[in-house]
Amino acid sequence: GNSVTQMEGPVTLSEEAFLTINCTYTATGYPSLFWYVQYPGEGLQLLLKATKADDKGSNKGFEATYRKETTSFHLEKGSVQVSDSAVYFCALSGYSGAGSYQLTFGKGTKLSVIP
Amino acid sequence: ETGVTQTPRHLVMGMTNKKSLKCEQHLGHNAMYWYKQSAKKPLELMFVYNFKEQTENNSVPSRFSPECPNSSHLFLHLHTLQPEDSALYLCASSPVSSGASTDTQYFGPGTRLTVL
Repeated sequence: GNSVTQMEGPVTLSEEAFLTINCTYTATGYPSLFWYVQYPGEGLQLLLKATKADDKGSNKGFEATYRKETTSFHLEKGSVQVSDSAVYFCALSGYSGAGSYQLTFGKGTKLSVIP
Repeated sequence: ETGVTQTPRHLVMGMTNKKSLKCEQHLGHNAMYWYKQSAKKPLELMFVYNFKEQTENNSVPSRFSPECPNSSHLFLHLHTLQPEDSALYLCASSPVSSGASTDTQYFGPGTRLTVL
């Protein structure tokens, strides 16, 4: 079956530090890959996605590249801000075999950015 | 109102109560989903509806009963819940559930449920 493994948190960084959150996956076929972000008290929002190998998703200064050879989709940002404090979820979309595509999520990584 | 909305945002109920969670999407999508988010666990998909028909039930206990009267509305009826059912319940929608792996799911803010 499909699975997503992402680095355990929490991660605490100072403002303007470089961020990497590792994500690796196991899937059959050719899944699409996503990063979602959850701010305190809110639901999940799509941050970025990539739909095929070597695609780079980017948004709000965050980037992630779909690496099929290493089955990875690591999230990076060059300079984090306090407003980036949230929980980040890596996910893949794969065929469930029952007629639909399903998202499989990692456990989430909590990021805290301090001034 | 835009996006995916959920009501109520917070709910406290006893184990013998019956309550319902409501989700509404204003995106013109045809697929809707219920997820459970518990502390320290990945998001768990509970139900999938595609064009009002239930297409997935991921071994969810019968004390959770979904209802999808049309493509814009989704309910989760709750009865005889247990304290371990306390969690954040998230609703999501997408164009169709059988469309493509590239389709994005859009989430509501969730209902924080506490079962006493």
